[in-house]
Amino acid sequence: GNSVTQMEGPVTLSEEAFLTINCTYTATGYPSLFWYVQYPGEGLQLLLKATKADDKGSNKGFEATYRKETTSFHLEKGSVQVSDSAVYFCALIMDSNYQLIWGAGTKLIIKP
Amino acid sequence: NAGVTQTPKFQVLKTGQSMTLQCAQDMNHNSMYWYRQDPGMGLRLIYYSASEGTTDKGEVPNGYNVSRLNKREFSLRLESAAPSQTSVYFCASSVMGGLYNSPLHFGNGTRLTVT
Repeated sequence: GNSVTQMEGPVTLSEEAFLTINCTYTATGYPSLFWYVQYPGEGLQLLLKATKADDKGSNKGFEATYRKETTSFHLEKGSVQVSDSAVYFCALIMDSNYQLIWGAGTKLIIKP
Repeated sequence: NAGVTQTPKFQVLKTGQSMTLQCAQDMNHNSMYWYRQDPGMGLRLIYYSASEGTTDKGEVPNGYNVSRLNKREFSLRLESAAPSQTSVYFCASSVMGGLYNSPLHFGNGTRLTVT
């Protein structure tokens, strides 16, 4: 079946470090891919998305490129801030427009 | 700008007790969802309502019932709580069901413990 695998956390970085959070997927067709972020004590919110191969989603300095050849959608940011500390979820959607398939989430901790 | 409001924020139940989690959105969204979040497992869809008057099962519907009371409100009921239902529950909404172009908007969650 379809699935999403994220790197285990927590990921701990110093402020201004480069960030990569890995996400790979298994899908029978051509999914759309998403990154959602959950700040402490809050619900999730959409960070960025990509709907077809080679698309790059970007928002708030974060980027992710839809790589069909490696079935990946890794999240990157050039210089992280303390305020980026959160849990990041990779997700995909296939045939059903109502059922996102979620990764387990990666907790990111940024130290000043 | 309330968005999606869930009540209560925290709840402790004994095994076998019942309760209803409430959710309301003020964004005039058509579709609403209930998820549970468990450590290391991401989010799992319990039920969703594509539009007012319809509800459908998600990935893990057993032990739950839902009611789409009107366009704004979507409640989740546990008829006989079990320890396996200890989780954080999130309500979400979207403009329409096409999640390609209609992102989910989440409430802040209800942390439920069943003893």
